[in-house]
Amino acid sequence: GENVEQHPSTLSVQEGDSAVIKCTYSDSASNYFPWYKQELGKGPQLIIDIRSNVGEKKDQRIAVTLNKTAKHFSLHITETQPEDSAVYFCAATPITGNQFYFGTGTSLTVIP
Amino acid sequence: NAGVTQTPKFQVLKTGQSMTLQCAQDMNHEYMSWYRQDPGMGLRLIHYSVGAGITDQGEVPNGYNVSRSTTEDFPLRLLSAAPSQTSVYFCASSYPGTGGADTEAFFGQGTRLTVV
Repeated sequence: GENVEQHPSTLSVQEGDSAVIKCTYSDSASNYFPWYKQELGKGPQLIIDIRSNVGEKKDQRIAVTLNKTAKHFSLHITETQPEDSAVYFCAATPITGNQFYFGTGTSLTVIP
Repeated sequence: NAGVTQTPKFQVLKTGQSMTLQCAQDMNHEYMSWYRQDPGMGLRLIHYSVGAGITDQGEVPNGYNVSRSTTEDFPLRLLSAAPSQTSVYFCASSYPGTGGADTEAFFGQGTRLTVV
């Protein structure tokens, strides 16, 4: 099955700085790569996603890049704010269905 | 629109007891799935369903049963709880996109289960 690795496990940045979280995957058949944000006591919520036919996608302060050859994708958050503090998960989905394989999560802390 | 609703939010079981975690969605999604979340291990897929009457195993199915008699409901059963099943459980639903592989998954608020 698919194996998704995520780094770093914890990340602290000063408010206004950028944060980058990286993931790798193993199954070349995976074609959909969502990123989820989980706040304390809540379920994960989608913040951005990218499909295999696209190399980069941006939504305001959040961007995701995908390198299919190297099998890695990254989340970039610019101008970080305290409300960005949360746990972020990457995931990969094989073409066969909606079976999401998640990374182990990154706990992001934005220091005011 | 309630989205994905999980009950209960918290539960304490004794080893060997059984229980059912409930999950209901009102978005007419075909796909539903159960994940468990453990510290340092992210979310791992337990069971999933691609439609009413169809279920399949995920990464960590042992000790859990599921059924899908309606589109809306996807209960997760623990037949004989063990301390290793102490975890936070999340139910998710999604609507198949093109090719059935690229669509947003909506998660419930989770059930925190402790087995003593």
